[in-house]
Amino acid sequence: TQLLEQSPQFLSIQEGENLTVYCNSSSVFSSLQWYRQEPGEGPVLLVTVVTGGEVKKLKRLTFQFGDARKDSSLHITAAQPGDTGLYLCAGRSYNTDKLIFGTGTRLQVFP
Amino acid sequence: GAVVSQHPSWVICKSGTSVKIECRSLDFQATTMFWYRQFPKQSLMLMATSNEGSKATYEQGVEKDKFLINHASLTLSTLTVTSAHPEDSSFYICSARDLKRSNTEAFFGQGTRLTVV
Repeated sequence: TQLLEQSPQFLSIQEGENLTVYCNSSSVFSSLQWYRQEPGEGPVLLVTVVTGGEVKKLKRLTFQFGDARKDSSLHITAAQPGDTGLYLCAGRSYNTDKLIFGTGTRLQVFP
Repeated sequence: GAVVSQHPSWVICKSGTSVKIECRSLDFQATTMFWYRQFPKQSLMLMATSNEGSKATYEQGVEKDKFLINHASLTLSTLTVTSAHPEDSSFYICSARDLKRSNTEAFFGQGTRLTVV
């Protein structure tokens, strides 16, 4: 069974702080995606990383795919209250092509 | 980006009745759609993969007779929760892949909150 563990599960910080969310697995994925989900809505795609070691930046968000394509990280610089939400990583299985979701990280940024 | 629309956004039904949820890809063709279930404060769990013109593939532990999936066209998949019970109350989310746009990205609908009373 492919599992994607995210850490931390919960994160509560003040506006302006930096944070990193980790997504780890023992399985190799063909690609990995990060989503943000707000209550009562579907996940919204933030980024897709495909190549091992790849780094992508989206304004204050930096995403990295591990060299072995088993793990990923999301770093947010100078967090803002608008960043509050549930962050989900999701890996696409080589074998089944299914998207496997991580356990999720709930972020709350206080003004 | 590609748009996936779910309907209804929320539904309340009586125990024992059936509920149909629609998932439409509005501006692209989706040969494959996926149905997920999400319990409060938890992640998304894949229920089944819906392929246009063929039977859906269900994940282990998901009852195919209870969660009927039909993918009759390249833009529409439906999930019917039959003989619903309170434990079926959950947030149901569909996603679709646009193979012309990218073979890695999946776009999600806004979800349907089902409450069975």
